[in-house]
Amino acid sequence: NAGVMQNPRHLVRRRGQEARLRCSPMKGHSHVYWYRQLPEEGLKFMVYLQKENIIDESGMPKERFSAEFPKEGPSILRIQQVVRGDSAAYFCASSPPMVGYGYTFGSGTRLTVV
Amino acid sequence: ILNVEQSPQSLHVQEGDSTNFTCSFPSSNFYALHWYRWETAKSPEALFVMTLNGDEKKKGRISATLNTKEGYSYLYIKGSQPEDSATYLCAFKTIQGAQKLVFGQGTRLTINP
Repeated sequence: NAGVMQNPRHLVRRRGQEARLRCSPMKGHSHVYWYRQLPEEGLKFMVYLQKENIIDESGMPKERFSAEFPKEGPSILRIQQVVRGDSAAYFCASSPPMVGYGYTFGSGTRLTVV
Repeated sequence: ILNVEQSPQSLHVQEGDSTNFTCSFPSSNFYALHWYRWETAKSPEALFVMTLNGDEKKKGRISATLNTKEGYSYLYIKGSQPEDSATYLCAFKTIQGAQKLVFGQGTRLTINP
């Protein structure tokens, strides 16, 4: 039973390009969360999704960032027109729908904007 | 704005000694408190999920307690071993944001052999 799979592990983009980060949740988990870790900072919540629904996007920057979790396929975090300040580690986590379970985290995608 | 505070930020402990650290969170609208262990170059791993005031959880040499009325949780490690070196994160959920975990900055623990 594979855990949460994130790819790519490392992503380098030039300023102005688009970054697409993928996350496949653990089997049986219907809830997906994206967190960002900026250098020297902790994990900051970005967005919480269920299949085909964004439940809470209160942590997403208002512009250039979007997320989806389609009926088929992985969850995607998309960053358009990347800037240097977007350089960070992006972690995806998943959980089952029941209360009382911790999150299972992926290994993260380290985005570097040059 | 929800704020989860962890102290100390970092801690050096001699192998074999016991240690503990603190997580403070808002006591109103409490829903759940999580502890995670995050080793370097790996991803955070869930240790405990606690929901009731007075909860105590144990896994091997690691245990945690919860006081929701005063808004704090303690994590204890008994007889520290080098493999306990990691960052320990606590995270908090409110009733309103029931599925959204807010993380503290973590306590970075280093065990000296």
